[in-house]
Amino acid sequence: DAGVIQSPRHEVTEMGQEVTLRCKLISGHNSLFWYRQTMMRGLELLIYFNNNVPIDDSGMPEDRFSAKMPNASFSTLKIQPSEPRDSAVYFCASSPREGARGNTIYFGEGSWLTVV
Amino acid sequence: GNSVTQMEGPVTLSEEAFLTINCTYTATGYPSLFWYVQYPGEGLQLLLKATKADDKGSNKGFEATYRKETTSFHLEKGSVQVSDSAVYFCALSDLHRDDKIIFGKGTRLHILP
Repeated sequence: DAGVIQSPRHEVTEMGQEVTLRCKLISGHNSLFWYRQTMMRGLELLIYFNNNVPIDDSGMPEDRFSAKMPNASFSTLKIQPSEPRDSAVYFCASSPREGARGNTIYFGEGSWLTVV
Repeated sequence: GNSVTQMEGPVTLSEEAFLTINCTYTATGYPSLFWYVQYPGEGLQLLLKATKADDKGSNKGFEATYRKETTSFHLEKGSVQVSDSAVYFCALSDLHRDDKIIFGKGTRLHILP
């Protein structure tokens, strides 16, 4: 079974450009999470969705960031305009809604973003 | 609110040494507890988990016991290998509140041959 698939794996872009990160969930999973990881701040939850609906976006840094889930298996995270401080690894993760405790989430391999 | 605190790294050990990485949590409900591991250049992957008090999670020689009385979930391994070098994250989730998983800041582990 394929895992969470993210693209691009690596992106280098100039400040001010729009960046779009993409994520395909594991088939059958209902919850989708976007995380950002940096050396300084560690792993931060940006936003998560249940059944395509955004539940908590309190971690989204500012209006330059937006996330969508146009269907049950796909999500995008957009940064417009990008800034050097957005440089980080962005992880997408998904989980099944098991209706029981022990909600394991499965991570993609990350999108390594560098804004110069 | 819920939170996780784990020991700061890096932790450097020689091969075959005993490992303990401390993790304590704060939760208002009855959380499930996890350890995730991140190898260089990869995403996080589940190492082990425990869903109720006194449960022991184990995998690849690692183990951790859910201690409600001390609100702890310390990770242990009896004899570490160079291949265990990675970043380890303690985490909790409380499905009765929401679907979020709260991660600790991570502990980097270096194993010397």
